[in-house]
Amino acid sequence: QLQLQESGPGLVKPSDILSLTCTVSGASIGSSTYYWAWIRQPPGKGLEWIGSVSSNWGAFRTPSLKSRVNISVDTSKNQFSLRLSSVTAADTAVYYCASHPAVIYYFDYWGLGALVTVSS
Amino acid sequence: DIQLTQSPSSLSASVGDRVTITCRASQAVGGYLAWYQQTAGKPPKLLIHGASTLQSGVPSRFSGSGSTTDFTLTISSLQPEDVATYYCQKYNSAPLTFGGGTKVEIK
Repeated sequence: QLQLQESGPGLVKPSDILSLTCTVSGASIGSSTYYWAWIRQPPGKGLEWIGSVSSNWGAFRTPSLKSRVNISVDTSKNQFSLRLSSVTAADTAVYYCASHPAVIYYFDYWGLGALVTVSS
Repeated sequence: DIQLTQSPSSLSASVGDRVTITCRASQAVGGYLAWYQQTAGKPPKLLIHGASTLQSGVPSRFSGSGSTTDFTLTISSLQPEDVATYYCQKYNSAPLTFGGGTKVEIK
Protein backbone atom coordinates (compact mmCIF):
# COMPACT_ATOMS: atom_id res chain seq x y z
CA GLN A 1 0.00 0.00 0.00
CA LEU A 2 1.51 3.26 -1.12
CA GLN A 3 1.72 5.97 1.58
CA LEU A 4 2.79 9.59 1.32
CA GLN A 5 3.61 12.12 4.04
CA GLU A 6 4.31 15.82 3.70
CA SER A 7 6.82 17.68 5.87
CA GLY A 8 8.15 21.22 6.04
CA PRO A 9 7.73 24.61 7.71
CA GLY A 10 4.19 25.66 8.55
CA LEU A 11 5.00 29.38 8.35
CA VAL A 12 6.78 31.19 5.53
CA LYS A 13 7.45 34.92 5.17
CA PRO A 14 6.20 36.86 2.13
CA SER A 15 8.70 36.87 -0.77
CA ASP A 16 10.50 33.81 0.67
CA ILE A 17 10.63 30.28 -0.75
CA LEU A 18 8.11 27.67 0.35
CA SER A 19 9.75 24.25 0.59
CA LEU A 20 7.97 20.97 1.25
CA THR A 21 9.06 17.35 1.09
CA CYS A 22 6.96 14.26 0.54
CA THR A 23 8.25 10.92 1.83
CA VAL A 24 6.98 7.92 -0.06
CA SER A 25 6.66 4.42 1.36
CA GLY A 26 5.34 1.29 -0.29
CA ALA A 27 6.81 2.11 -3.69
CA SER A 28 10.06 3.26 -5.21
CA ILE A 29 10.18 6.93 -6.13
CA GLY A 30 12.24 5.82 -9.12
CA SER A 31 9.45 3.64 -10.44
CA SER A 32 8.38 4.23 -14.02
CA THR A 33 4.83 3.37 -12.96
CA TYR A 34 4.06 6.62 -11.13
CA TYR A 35 4.17 10.35 -11.30
CA TRP A 36 4.47 12.26 -8.01
CA ALA A 37 2.36 15.37 -7.65
CA TRP A 38 1.65 18.44 -5.55
CA ILE A 39 -1.85 19.82 -5.12
CA ARG A 40 -2.94 22.68 -2.90
CA GLN A 41 -6.16 23.88 -1.31
CA PRO A 42 -6.52 27.39 0.14
CA PRO A 43 -8.61 27.47 3.33
CA GLY A 44 -12.28 26.96 2.50
CA LYS A 45 -11.60 26.74 -1.25
CA GLY A 46 -11.15 24.15 -3.97
CA LEU A 47 -8.26 22.07 -5.23
CA GLU A 48 -5.44 23.29 -7.49
CA TRP A 49 -2.93 20.96 -9.14
CA ILE A 50 0.57 22.46 -8.97
CA GLY A 51 2.67 19.98 -10.89
CA SER A 52 3.89 16.41 -11.28
CA VAL A 53 7.31 14.80 -11.58
CA SER A 54 8.72 11.43 -12.54
CA SER A 55 12.36 10.37 -12.36
CA ASN A 56 11.77 8.64 -15.70
CA TRP A 57 9.45 10.99 -17.59
CA GLY A 58 10.36 14.48 -16.34
CA ALA A 59 8.07 17.14 -14.87
CA PHE A 60 5.12 19.25 -15.87
CA ARG A 61 3.50 22.17 -14.02
CA THR A 62 0.37 24.25 -14.13
CA PRO A 63 0.96 27.32 -16.34
CA SER A 64 -0.13 29.87 -13.74
CA LEU A 65 2.61 28.80 -11.31
CA LYS A 66 5.22 27.51 -13.74
CA SER A 67 7.65 30.40 -13.31
CA ARG A 68 7.72 30.01 -9.52
CA VAL A 69 7.59 26.21 -9.11
CA ASN A 70 10.29 23.59 -9.00
CA ILE A 71 9.47 19.94 -8.30
CA SER A 72 12.28 17.43 -7.90
CA VAL A 73 12.91 13.81 -6.95
CA ASP A 74 15.49 12.41 -4.52
CA THR A 75 15.75 8.70 -5.22
CA SER A 76 18.29 8.14 -2.43
CA LYS A 77 15.72 9.20 0.18
CA ASN A 78 12.59 8.06 -1.67
CA GLN A 79 11.29 11.61 -1.48
CA PHE A 80 10.11 14.35 -3.79
CA SER A 81 10.03 18.05 -3.09
CA LEU A 82 8.24 21.28 -3.92
CA ARG A 83 9.82 24.71 -4.02
CA LEU A 84 7.59 27.72 -4.61
CA SER A 85 9.35 31.06 -4.82
CA SER A 86 8.24 34.65 -4.15
CA VAL A 87 5.30 33.58 -2.03
CA THR A 88 2.45 35.88 -1.00
CA ALA A 89 -0.57 35.46 1.27
CA ALA A 90 -2.40 33.98 -1.72
CA ASP A 91 -0.11 30.94 -1.46
CA THR A 92 -1.46 30.09 2.01
CA ALA A 93 -3.00 26.65 1.64
CA VAL A 94 -2.99 23.02 2.65
CA TYR A 95 -0.43 21.39 0.39
CA TYR A 96 -1.00 17.75 -0.52
CA CYS A 97 1.41 15.36 -2.12
CA ALA A 98 -0.19 12.66 -4.23
CA SER A 99 0.55 10.07 -6.88
CA HIS A 100 -0.96 9.26 -10.24
CA PRO A 101 -0.24 6.47 -12.68
CA ALA A 102 2.34 7.36 -15.28
CA VAL A 103 -0.01 6.95 -18.22
CA ILE A 104 -3.28 8.19 -16.77
CA TYR A 105 -3.45 11.21 -14.57
CA TYR A 106 -5.99 10.73 -11.81
CA PHE A 107 -4.77 10.91 -8.22
CA ASP A 108 -5.07 7.57 -6.47
CA TYR A 109 -2.98 8.09 -3.32
CA TRP A 110 -2.77 11.23 -1.20
CA GLY A 111 -0.84 12.44 1.81
CA LEU A 112 -2.70 13.91 4.76
CA GLY A 113 -1.72 17.46 3.80
CA ALA A 114 0.39 20.20 5.35
CA LEU A 115 -0.90 23.68 6.11
CA VAL A 116 1.50 26.40 5.05
CA THR A 117 0.73 29.96 6.08
CA VAL A 118 2.43 32.90 4.40
CA SER A 119 2.71 35.73 6.88
CA SER A 120 5.30 38.10 8.31
CA ASP B 1 -7.37 25.83 -20.52
CA ILE B 2 -10.40 23.61 -20.00
CA GLN B 3 -12.71 24.73 -17.18
CA LEU B 4 -14.91 22.38 -15.14
CA THR B 5 -18.20 23.72 -13.76
CA GLN B 6 -19.97 21.72 -11.08
CA SER B 7 -23.60 22.10 -10.11
CA PRO B 8 -25.09 22.59 -7.70
CA SER B 9 -22.44 24.16 -5.47
CA SER B 10 -24.25 22.72 -2.47
CA LEU B 11 -27.24 20.54 -1.73
CA SER B 12 -29.15 19.17 1.22
CA ALA B 13 -30.94 15.83 0.99
CA SER B 14 -32.46 13.24 3.28
CA VAL B 15 -30.95 9.88 4.15
CA GLY B 16 -31.97 7.43 1.45
CA ASP B 17 -32.44 10.07 -1.24
CA ARG B 18 -30.93 9.80 -4.69
CA VAL B 19 -28.38 12.58 -5.21
CA THR B 20 -27.01 13.77 -8.54
CA ILE B 21 -24.06 16.11 -9.10
CA THR B 22 -23.08 17.35 -12.54
CA CYS B 23 -19.74 18.42 -13.97
CA ARG B 24 -19.57 20.25 -17.30
CA ALA B 25 -16.32 20.77 -19.19
CA SER B 26 -15.74 23.82 -21.38
CA GLN B 27 -14.18 21.57 -24.03
CA ALA B 28 -14.27 17.85 -24.72
CA VAL B 29 -12.29 15.68 -22.30
CA GLY B 30 -13.37 12.30 -23.68
CA GLY B 31 -13.86 9.90 -20.79
CA TYR B 32 -10.92 11.27 -18.81
CA LEU B 33 -12.92 12.40 -15.81
CA ALA B 34 -12.51 11.46 -12.15
CA TRP B 35 -14.59 12.12 -9.05
CA TYR B 36 -13.29 12.61 -5.51
CA GLN B 37 -14.91 12.79 -2.07
CA GLN B 38 -13.40 15.05 0.59
CA THR B 39 -14.65 14.90 4.15
CA ALA B 40 -13.79 17.62 6.65
CA GLY B 41 -10.09 17.83 7.47
CA LYS B 42 -9.15 14.91 5.23
CA PRO B 43 -7.48 14.59 1.83
CA PRO B 44 -9.65 13.84 -1.18
CA LYS B 45 -10.46 10.20 -1.86
CA LEU B 46 -10.72 8.85 -5.39
CA LEU B 47 -14.21 7.48 -6.06
CA ILE B 48 -14.47 7.09 -9.82
CA HIS B 49 -12.12 7.33 -12.80
CA GLY B 50 -12.69 6.96 -16.50
CA ALA B 51 -16.03 8.72 -15.92
CA SER B 52 -17.70 5.52 -14.72
CA THR B 53 -15.17 3.06 -13.25
CA LEU B 54 -15.61 2.63 -9.52
CA GLN B 55 -12.34 2.67 -7.59
CA SER B 56 -11.71 -0.48 -5.55
CA GLY B 57 -13.41 -0.38 -2.14
CA VAL B 58 -15.88 2.38 -3.00
CA PRO B 59 -19.50 1.49 -2.14
CA SER B 60 -21.69 0.55 -5.08
CA ARG B 61 -24.21 3.30 -4.28
CA PHE B 62 -21.78 5.64 -6.03
CA SER B 63 -21.86 5.68 -9.82
CA GLY B 64 -20.61 7.90 -12.59
CA SER B 65 -21.72 8.49 -16.14
CA GLY B 66 -21.19 10.78 -19.08
CA SER B 67 -18.61 11.57 -21.73
CA THR B 68 -17.13 14.38 -23.78
CA THR B 69 -18.32 17.45 -21.84
CA ASP B 70 -21.16 16.39 -19.53
CA PHE B 71 -20.68 14.10 -16.56
CA THR B 72 -22.73 12.98 -13.56
CA LEU B 73 -21.96 11.54 -10.14
CA THR B 74 -24.90 9.76 -8.54
CA ILE B 75 -25.35 8.53 -5.00
CA SER B 76 -28.26 6.10 -5.22
CA SER B 77 -29.16 6.17 -1.53
CA LEU B 78 -27.56 8.94 0.53
CA GLN B 79 -25.97 7.81 3.79
CA PRO B 80 -24.81 9.94 6.74
CA GLU B 81 -21.18 9.09 6.00
CA ASP B 82 -21.56 10.62 2.51
CA VAL B 83 -21.57 14.15 3.96
CA ALA B 84 -18.62 15.66 2.11
CA THR B 85 -17.55 17.90 -0.70
CA TYR B 86 -17.29 16.22 -4.09
CA TYR B 87 -14.90 17.30 -6.85
CA CYS B 88 -14.56 16.32 -10.48
CA GLN B 89 -11.17 16.39 -12.21
CA LYS B 90 -10.28 16.16 -15.86
CA TYR B 91 -7.09 14.39 -16.92
CA ASN B 92 -7.10 14.16 -20.70
CA SER B 93 -4.21 16.62 -20.81
CA ALA B 94 -2.32 19.11 -18.68
CA PRO B 95 -3.12 21.26 -16.88
CA LEU B 96 -4.97 18.85 -14.62
CA THR B 97 -7.93 20.82 -13.32
CA PHE B 98 -10.66 20.31 -10.74
CA GLY B 99 -14.22 21.52 -10.59
CA GLY B 100 -15.22 23.99 -7.90
CA GLY B 101 -16.81 21.34 -5.68
CA THR B 102 -20.29 20.37 -4.51
CA LYS B 103 -20.99 20.29 -0.79
CA VAL B 104 -23.46 17.57 0.23
CA GLU B 105 -25.29 17.80 3.54
CA ILE B 106 -28.01 15.81 5.28
CA LYS B 107 -31.39 17.50 5.66
